[in-house]
Amino acid sequence: DAMVIQNPRYQVTQFGKPVTLSCSQTLNHNVMYWYQQKSSQAPKLLFHYYDKDFNNEADTPDNFQSRRPNTSFCFLDIRSPGLGDAAMYLCATSRGSGGSVGNEQFFGPGTRLTVL
Amino acid sequence: QKEVEQNSGPLSVPEGAIASLNCTYSDRGSQSFFWYRQYSGKSPELIMFIYSNGDKEDGRFTAQLNKASQYVSLLIRDSQPSDSATYLCAAILTGGGNKLTFGTGTQLKVEL
Repeated sequence: DAMVIQNPRYQVTQFGKPVTLSCSQTLNHNVMYWYQQKSSQAPKLLFHYYDKDFNNEADTPDNFQSRRPNTSFCFLDIRSPGLGDAAMYLCATSRGSGGSVGNEQFFGPGTRLTVL
Repeated sequence: QKEVEQNSGPLSVPEGAIASLNCTYSDRGSQSFFWYRQYSGKSPELIMFIYSNGDKEDGRFTAQLNKASQYVSLLIRDSQPSDSATYLCAAILTGGGNKLTFGTGTQLKVEL
């Protein structure tokens, strides 16, 4: 089945220790997104890639970086995690951009990050 | 004013009843609306999307869009305990490309 996969599902890191979260997709979608969701809050878009074009949200901290080496994979790097970065990190994909039929976003299962 | 607003709930309905979830949005130019279901500790799952005024039905789910009044609703018929979850309303705002702006979600509890 075509799907969005995130690894690991649970990640524990120490304050200030870099961490990388992984997302892969078999949908062959052009667009990949990273969201942060804290408890009882809405998902918040950090950035997205349309193919190789990177689009950063204005309020995304510099501490968060992303890489997309190929169509299938996208990584979220947190350079120096703080306690406030503990959250669920969600990867999503869509075929294209713009609100129209066929461009809906589908989420992976998420990675829950704990910062000690 | 929040861009996408939902009542946080919880909304409690008995099993078999119709659950009605509502969402309002501030950007009159928004064209695309989505309902995601999120179980506790899990990721959002797309259950409905609607782009045109009126109703759209899919199984037990009906999405309703009224652009003049700037609201979107989700009706769940014959509610089941397995429908108990948080329902997130999302919209693509004017000029937002494909960026989803989410409401904070409504918690639905379907009671036996």
